[in-house]
Amino acid sequence: SQQGEEDPQALSIQEGENATMNCSYKTSINNLQWYRQNSGRGLVHLILIRSNEREKHSGRLRVTLDTSKKSSSLLITASRAADTASYFCATASNQAGTALIFGKGTTLSVSS
Amino acid sequence: EPEVTQTPSHQVTQMGQEVILRCVPISNHLYFYWYRQILGQKVEFLVSFYNNEISEKSEIFDDQFSVERPDGSNFTLKIRSTKLEDSAMYFCASRVDRLANQPQHFGDGTRLSIL
Repeated sequence: SQQGEEDPQALSIQEGENATMNCSYKTSINNLQWYRQNSGRGLVHLILIRSNEREKHSGRLRVTLDTSKKSSSLLITASRAADTASYFCATASNQAGTALIFGKGTTLSVSS
Repeated sequence: EPEVTQTPSHQVTQMGQEVILRCVPISNHLYFYWYRQILGQKVEFLVSFYNNEISEKSEIFDDQFSVERPDGSNFTLKIRSTKLEDSAMYFCASRVDRLANQPQHFGDGTRLSIL
């Protein structure tokens, strides 16, 4: 089954630094999505990148997708304390289904 | 901004009891989902629902689980006879339509604790 697997599992940085999280998956996809989860809260959709796209930006977020390596990265630039959260990649297959397959996530801590 | 709402936020139930988790998806969305997240583990897909029927389900979604859209706004997940291992956060999500490359919007979840 396809899986999104993120690394690192945990990342601690200072405010103002950039944070990079990586995700790998196993099978063909329609798209890859990144979500954020604050402690005890639901998943907030950040960005969706289609399988035919290589890079996408949204504010301080930059996502890349390399389908040949079955990998993606999420870069958060100029991080803030409010970016502290868990970040998950999720893949949607290119078959009929629309279920998202999530990775284990990266826990990001940004200290001021 | 429209959002998915879930109730209750926390449900404590004795093992063997039935539990119903409720969700109100975003009003113009047509695709609905349930996921669960056991503490410290991945978010796992349970079931998707479209046009008043189950579209997909995972191996987790066995005969103890059922979903229903009883009216035009609510979407429910029922667990008939709860087990200790059903303790988890349960998330409802909705999506605007069947087209590919649309994001899913999640509620804040219901924390289900089975005693």
